[in-house]
Amino acid sequence: LAKTTQPISMDSYEGQEVNITCSHNNIATNDYITWYQQFPSQGPRFIIQGYKTKVTNEVASLFIPADRKSSTLSLPRVSLSDTAVYYCLVVEGGAGSYQLTFGKGTKLSVIP
Amino acid sequence: EADIYQTPRYLVIGTGKKITLECSQTMGHDKMYWYQQDPGMELHLIHYSYGVNSTEKGDLSSESTVSRIRTEHFPLTLESARPSHTSQYLCASSETPRSDTQYFGPGTRLTVL
Repeated sequence: LAKTTQPISMDSYEGQEVNITCSHNNIATNDYITWYQQFPSQGPRFIIQGYKTKVTNEVASLFIPADRKSSTLSLPRVSLSDTAVYYCLVVEGGAGSYQLTFGKGTKLSVIP
Repeated sequence: EADIYQTPRYLVIGTGKKITLECSQTMGHDKMYWYQQDPGMELHLIHYSYGVNSTEKGDLSSESTVSRIRTEHFPLTLESARPSHTSQYLCASSETPRSDTQYFGPGTRLTVL
């Protein structure tokens, strides 16, 4: 079971780049890494997903080293509205069954 | 935007009552999930379904039950609510379990007195 480990919290000033790293030492060959954002009293929202190397979209970048035992979510130039909890998810499974593992999440606080 | 709905959004109910939390999605997704989340804590998967007539328990033991009679509908039932069931319940769906994203509903915040 590929558990994930993230920092519990991070603080950043507005306009800075924020990097949140997730460890997943037991990730399986066919697993993907997905990051979600959650605001209070709302369901999580998909941010980005990757398998290896680097993925970039309009809101974030995801860096995955060759061994895939960790991944780093990069948020460029954060604003106050980026204050939220960020979850790292590894989708794993065998034939006919899938277990989903959310990390404990990283609470990002953006400071004016 | 994802089309996944949960009702009610908030529910306050007395101990011993039977409750059903509704979840519906209009995206035709085969896979659906129920998560439980206490304030400030991580999400725990309590049930999931591969498709119609398929239900499985997640990694967190739950006294709730689910059913999947139609693709778009995945209700969760508590036969006898207790204060320990007080939590937020989040429903999600995905087209396939691997690589595709999960779309979450707004959640139901349940309080059992």
